[in-house]
Amino acid sequence: GQQLNQSPQSMFIQEGEDVSMNCTSSSIFNTWLWYKQDPGEGPVLLIALYKAGELTSNGRLTAQFGITRKDSFLNISASIPSDVGIYFCAGLLGSNSGYALNFGKGTSLLVTP
Amino acid sequence: GAVVSQHPSRVICKSGTSVKIECRSLDFQATTMFWYRQFPKQSLMLMATSNEGSKATYEQGVEKDKFLINHASLTLSTLTVTSAHPEDSSFYICSALGRSTDTQYFGPGTRLTVL
Repeated sequence: GQQLNQSPQSMFIQEGEDVSMNCTSSSIFNTWLWYKQDPGEGPVLLIALYKAGELTSNGRLTAQFGITRKDSFLNISASIPSDVGIYFCAGLLGSNSGYALNFGKGTSLLVTP
Repeated sequence: GAVVSQHPSRVICKSGTSVKIECRSLDFQATTMFWYRQFPKQSLMLMATSNEGSKATYEQGVEKDKFLINHASLTLSTLTVTSAHPEDSSFYICSALGRSTDTQYFGPGTRLTVL
């Protein structure tokens, strides 16, 4: 599979700050997904985006599916210490690729109180 | 959301032995499950796609005779690491394709350490 370009690689912020991270790809995807992974755990789905241009929120999280279908961003507003973890974007082509996910390399987020 | 479990959560074994990892979808039927491997500070790398009732599809570079996958039912897939070696030590994570087929739900992972 293809690996997506995710940035930044890591972020170190203070509690209360907003965070933004994004993913780009040279190929188009039909679905973009954002996951959070805590140490020693499996990824947990945060937001799923199914349509180009779609903007979806989940509490303090907001994500958008780029118009070109080759990118997506995730914003976290008013960060709190429990936001600490690694955030992964993932692109899904669909049935033609056997529904396999293509992952970004992850963004490691550290939040200080 | 959908729940996927893995067992065991961590296992330590001697070099040369085989280890079986189970992945179960607890509240939905998953015709397709995926097995990933994750090394420290790296992203998840797909190893194979497991379809119920048929042979698994392996990614390039993954030895099918070393990583045996069995998807015997709609709620269970197993990964057996045969003749494990220290370089097989990793975090193995499974996922199950949801009913909508547009999302994947991940298990909590299995930490394998081969001595």
